[in-house]
Amino acid sequence: DAKTTQPTSMDCAEGRAANLPCNHSTISGNEYVYWYRQIHSQGPQYIIHGLKNNETNEMASLIITEDRKSSTLILPHATLRDTAVYYCIVRVAFFLNSNSGYALNFGKGTSLLVTP
Amino acid sequence: EAQVTQNPRYLITVTGKKLTVTCSQNMNHEYMSWYRQDPGLGLRQIYYSMNVEVTDKGDVPEGYKVSRKEKRNFPLILESPSPNQTSLYFCASRRTSGGSGANVLTFGAGSRLTVL
Repeated sequence: DAKTTQPTSMDCAEGRAANLPCNHSTISGNEYVYWYRQIHSQGPQYIIHGLKNNETNEMASLIITEDRKSSTLILPHATLRDTAVYYCIVRVAFFLNSNSGYALNFGKGTSLLVTP
Repeated sequence: EAQVTQNPRYLITVTGKKLTVTCSQNMNHEYMSWYRQDPGLGLRQIYYSMNVEVTDKGDVPEGYKVSRKEKRNFPLILESPSPNQTSLYFCASRRTSGGSGANVLTFGAGSRLTVL
């Protein structure tokens, strides 16, 4: 899996957009970018994933640069409940009959603090 | 509601007293796994199971056992717990087919174990 680099921590004011960057300069053509978050001591929660097109769901938007070497997770209107550690993970898709059980490498992530 | 349920959520035990942490999922997922999370070490995979009666070691399997007799259940067994197994444990599941979505793990709420 390609290595990812994220800032250790970030702050964001409540109601503002939180933009969390992730660098994955060695990403391969068949690797997807996944984002998870972990609110203090809770189980990690899947947010969004993408290959090369920008993606949006009810939680966030994912912007992937054209060269795919970096991406940004956007929380459009951050709330206090968005305070969490955000993990950017790069991984090939699991296809039918895959026998790989390799763990996702969550790394250290970015600790996002949303302030009032 | 689609979920992974772990029990107990909190447990304090003593060295050598066998214990089992149960994990159950209601999403008909083939793949299940156990992680432990320790400060500074992140999430590390203990064991995983690709399907019923198929289990394999993750990165830190020493001192743990698992079984997968039914698709929905994946208990974690500590035969003789030691203080270095004091940790926060997460069970997770996902499907194994269908491309990129098969990397979407659903985690349980966590089980905090203290071994004295």
